[in-house]
Amino acid sequence: GESVGLHLPTLSVQEGDNSIINCAYSNSASDYFIWYKQESGKGPQFIIDIRSNMDKRQGQRVTVLLNKTVKHLSLQIAATQPGDSAVYFCAETSANDYKLSFGAGTTVTVRA
Amino acid sequence: ETGVTQTPRHLVMGMTNKKSLKCEQHLGHNAMYWYKQSAKKPLELMFVYNFKEQTENNSVPSRFSPECPNSSHLFLHLHTLQPEDSALYLCASSQKTGPPEAFFGQGTRLTVV
Repeated sequence: GESVGLHLPTLSVQEGDNSIINCAYSNSASDYFIWYKQESGKGPQFIIDIRSNMDKRQGQRVTVLLNKTVKHLSLQIAATQPGDSAVYFCAETSANDYKLSFGAGTTVTVRA
Repeated sequence: ETGVTQTPRHLVMGMTNKKSLKCEQHLGHNAMYWYKQSAKKPLELMFVYNFKEQTENNSVPSRFSPECPNSSHLFLHLHTLQPEDSALYLCASSQKTGPPEAFFGQGTRLTVV
């Protein structure tokens, strides 16, 4: 079946460097994509979203890129900090059903 | 604090016990969800409620029984669970109009012994 997935299960980043987390999706009907961050012992927290009619969206220290041609989504974190250590999930949905499908997650570890 | 509160945070229960998980949202949302999060697996959607009506049951075993008495409260009743049901159970809510992002509670860590 169709699913959302992440390319790499783990990512180790030096503090201060930029992080790039990738996600591949296969449901061409999805028109809304969301990145979540889950810290240890907490539920997923919304980071940033992007609609399918956009290819880039920026937030505070984060940028999401959407490439619909190859069905690829990425999250870029600028100047990664220790507090960015967490599991990051991409999720997809459509405006019609509002159900989120999640990928397996990427665990980001920030090295001091 | 996301506006979605789950209790208890941790629960250990035997296979013959009956327990309930509670979720309350203070965001004025009209859709609520139960997700199961097992180690090294994607979040699995279990149940969806829209305006208190169950609209989705993703082939969840009958030993899990949801209840939504109003649009702010959601319960998950558990009985005769199996050890493989041990997981983090997450409640979420969203608005049916506007951006569909869901807001999650902190989850209940369930251990079945």
